[in-house]
Amino acid sequence: QSVLTQPPSVSATPGQKVTISCSGDNSNIGNNYVSWYQHLPGAVPKLLIYENDKRPSGIPVRFSASKSGTSATLAITELQTGDEGDFYCGTWDSSLRVVLFGGGTKLTVV
Amino acid sequence: QVQLVQSGAEVKLPGSSVKVSCTASGGGPFSGHTIAWVRQAPGQGLEWMGRVIPVVGVTDYAQKFQDRVTITADSSTRTAFMEVSGLTFEDTAVYYCAKVGPFYTLSDWGQGTMVIVSS
Repeated sequence: QSVLTQPPSVSATPGQKVTISCSGDNSNIGNNYVSWYQHLPGAVPKLLIYENDKRPSGIPVRFSASKSGTSATLAITELQTGDEGDFYCGTWDSSLRVVLFGGGTKLTVV
Repeated sequence: QVQLVQSGAEVKLPGSSVKVSCTASGGGPFSGHTIAWVRQAPGQGLEWMGRVIPVVGVTDYAQKFQDRVTITADSSTRTAFMEVSGLTFEDTAVYYCAKVGPFYTLSDWGQGTMVIVSS
């Protein structure tokens, strides 16, 4: 079902910046808002970014995102070991009439 | 903010059915919420199953689940339900309910319910 493409994994060292891409098409990202979710080990998925670039209250400014055309990007600065986990983009698909998620990106901070 | 509490883990035989509940507290009238169900199979990503909009009594499903999944809601108990019939080993997963906000943002999540299909 996933037609949003994310890199399977990214890694960086503490304090560095990492970006995670999410690619779709005009049925989904191109014409709908993108959200990003953080899924830490043993925890529940958590909303990180909504409406392309907005942070819910309590989400640090280290997390930011943008959208351009049919792609979106999540950026995390000042990486911490506690950021390790899986990150998913999500958006409505107007053709399939479902919320699509990317395949997920595993972040490793070493 | 809405708090969502799901029912406990289940172990089911192939071919049987499972019904998972999701009870909401806070966040105003339940009938005004849209509740979605998302699952995550072992080692896999998140997968949208469908949603219920209690205020208008509407449900819709991802095509993959159209024939085997039923999502309902009871506003009097502030509870949504998701039932999967004809279980197969591939239905082994953690099932989450989530509140759907504006522009299909999943703003609040239940704690997840592990369903294991095993003979």
